[in-house]
Amino acid sequence: AQSVTQPDIHITVSEGASLELRCNYSYGATPYLFWYVQSPGQGLQLLLKYFSGDTLVQGIKGFEAEFKRSQSSFNLRKPSVHWSDAAEYFCAVGTDSWGKFQFGAGTQVVVTP
Amino acid sequence: GAVVSQHPSRVICKSGTSVKIECRSLDFQATTMFWYRQFPKQSLMLMATSNEGSKATYEQGVEKDKFLINHASLTLSTLTVTSAHPEDSSFYICSARGLMGTEAFFGQGTRLTVV
Repeated sequence: AQSVTQPDIHITVSEGASLELRCNYSYGATPYLFWYVQSPGQGLQLLLKYFSGDTLVQGIKGFEAEFKRSQSSFNLRKPSVHWSDAAEYFCAVGTDSWGKFQFGAGTQVVVTP
Repeated sequence: GAVVSQHPSRVICKSGTSVKIECRSLDFQATTMFWYRQFPKQSLMLMATSNEGSKATYEQGVEKDKFLINHASLTLSTLTVTSAHPEDSSFYICSARGLMGTEAFFGQGTRLTVV
């Protein structure tokens, strides 16, 4: 069975500092990997996705993620966070169907001045 | 990106009543729609997958008679929570995918509170 683990429930980061959110997955084949962001009371917005090819993926809002097969990880990074990056971030694994996702528990990001 | 609209965004209903949530794809034809629920401070859990014109496929543990899903057109899927109880209070989110799409687009979600 597939699973997605986001080890950090809550991260506090200063504005302008770098951010890294961890995601580990368990899946028998090469998965489709996604990062979504959710603002309070809102739906999900896709930040980036990985299917194949270059393991370093660029997304929107200055985010990037790196797929590391050996570590079964797909960590999300941003070099310099902005106050507007405060939100909940979800890592997700897709299997053979777009939209049928297994989500991680989410990481709440708080940005301090 | 494509737009998926959910309605209502918030609903409060009395225990024992039924409530319908709509998920519409506004600018594309959604051959497949997915329904998720999210408990407070928890992740999203897939409830069911619906394909236009066919019965929905429910995930294990989801009561199909309680959560009725209809996907009668290529732009609309509905989730009806029947005989709602306080434990059904949750955030429900749909996502939609087109026939040639390579991405599923999420609605803004519906906050259901059963009192």
